[in-house]
Amino acid sequence: EAGVTQSPTHLIKTRGQQATLRCSPISGHTSVYWYQQALGLGLQFLLWYDEGEERNRGNFPPRFSGRQFPNYSSELNVNALELEDSALYLCASRPGESGYTFGSGTRLTVV
Amino acid sequence: AQSVTQPDIHITVSEGASLELRCNYSYGATPYLFWYVQSPGQGLQLLLKYFSGDTLVQGIKGFEAEFKRSQSSFNLRKPSVHWSDAAEYFCAVGLLTGGGNKLTFGTGTQLKVEL
Repeated sequence: EAGVTQSPTHLIKTRGQQATLRCSPISGHTSVYWYQQALGLGLQFLLWYDEGEERNRGNFPPRFSGRQFPNYSSELNVNALELEDSALYLCASRPGESGYTFGSGTRLTVV
Repeated sequence: AQSVTQPDIHITVSEGASLELRCNYSYGATPYLFWYVQSPGQGLQLLLKYFSGDTLVQGIKGFEAEFKRSQSSFNLRKPSVHWSDAAEYFCAVGLLTGGGNKLTFGTGTQLKVEL
């Protein structure tokens, strides 16, 4: 069974640009969770999508947004990039009560 | 609001020595508890989880954790550390239904293993 896949692995953007990060959950899982792991700030909950709808949102500005497609894959969009958006962005899906399974992440660097 | 505290930012142990990583949580009800490990540049790997039942939980790679409700703790242990265990360890709490379905993570403990 394939795990959670994220692309790209690395992304370098200029301040003010937009970044798009992608995630495919484990086959059959309808929920996708996004987390940001920034240096010095730890792992922060960003967004939760389930069945195509945004179900919960962490304490992030509106320029962090996303969507979930009919095949349950998801995109995270970060608009008007700022230097402090540089972080590892992790996506997870949840196979029932087995805990959350994370992907390997996308390293976003804003220069 | 739920919170997780990992009081040790860095821990160094010798290979073969025992290990205990501390985790304390604050939550109104008994949450679900997890330990994850992260190697440099990698995602998070689930080591073990506690939902209910036996308070001593066995995980992968020889790790175990004990849930102590009276102390609001979920400490991770390993009897004999291997050099490959060097990584960052995160404790997390959450609810599998309700609570916004989010995990709240501790700030992590960086483990260094001396050969």
